[in-house]
Amino acid sequence: GEDVEQSLFLSVREGDSSVINCTYTDSSSTYLYWYKQEPGAGLQLLTYIFSNMDMKQDQRLTVLLNKKDKHLSLRIADTQTGDSAIYFCAENPGGYQKVTFGIGTKLQVIP
Amino acid sequence: NAGVTQTPKFRVLKTGQSMTLLCAQDMNHEYMYWYRQDPGMGLRLIHYSVGEGTTAKGEVPDGYNVSRLKKQNFLLGLESAAPSQTSVYFCASSSSGRSGEQYFGPGTRLTVT
Repeated sequence: GEDVEQSLFLSVREGDSSVINCTYTDSSSTYLYWYKQEPGAGLQLLTYIFSNMDMKQDQRLTVLLNKKDKHLSLRIADTQTGDSAIYFCAENPGGYQKVTFGIGTKLQVIP
Repeated sequence: NAGVTQTPKFRVLKTGQSMTLLCAQDMNHEYMYWYRQDPGMGLRLIHYSVGEGTTAKGEVPDGYNVSRLKKQNFLLGLESAAPSQTSVYFCASSSSGRSGEQYFGPGTRLTVT
């Protein structure tokens, strides 16, 4: 069955790196996404990775994919207070097929 | 581009009342979705549409109806609201491309008393 698991909470100090982890179960997942949700707002797509990739970097964000362990991580370098939000991991077999979201990890950045 | 917009932003209903939530997108996306977000439960798919004139059930469709008469609009209806439908509702859209990334609206916070 499809399931995406994330830890609920992460606290880091400003300037440190944050690593948010996610595990998924659907081996047919082709695309994996990271979304950010700030209080009172919708989900904002941060980045996504295709399943034939191991890593994707975009400025301060680094996504690592371990297909064997079905493990996805999001690293935020030099974490800022503006990074405080809930981060959702999601998986998709492809196209319009049902995207499964994790429950979200709340990142707290301490000044 | 406005992206995905939702109206209204907030609404309070009494049990048994009806309402329609409107979602509009200006990205010419084929696919549109309605989710609800509840504390501790993440996002759950209510209904979705793969094109104008089509709709399909998601994970939690009971108590909701949808229509997609125009490509850019996706309406979510509650015919007889119940307190269990108190939630934040998000609309999203995606293109027909393989990557399928979804773009979300700002949400509608609905309270049913």
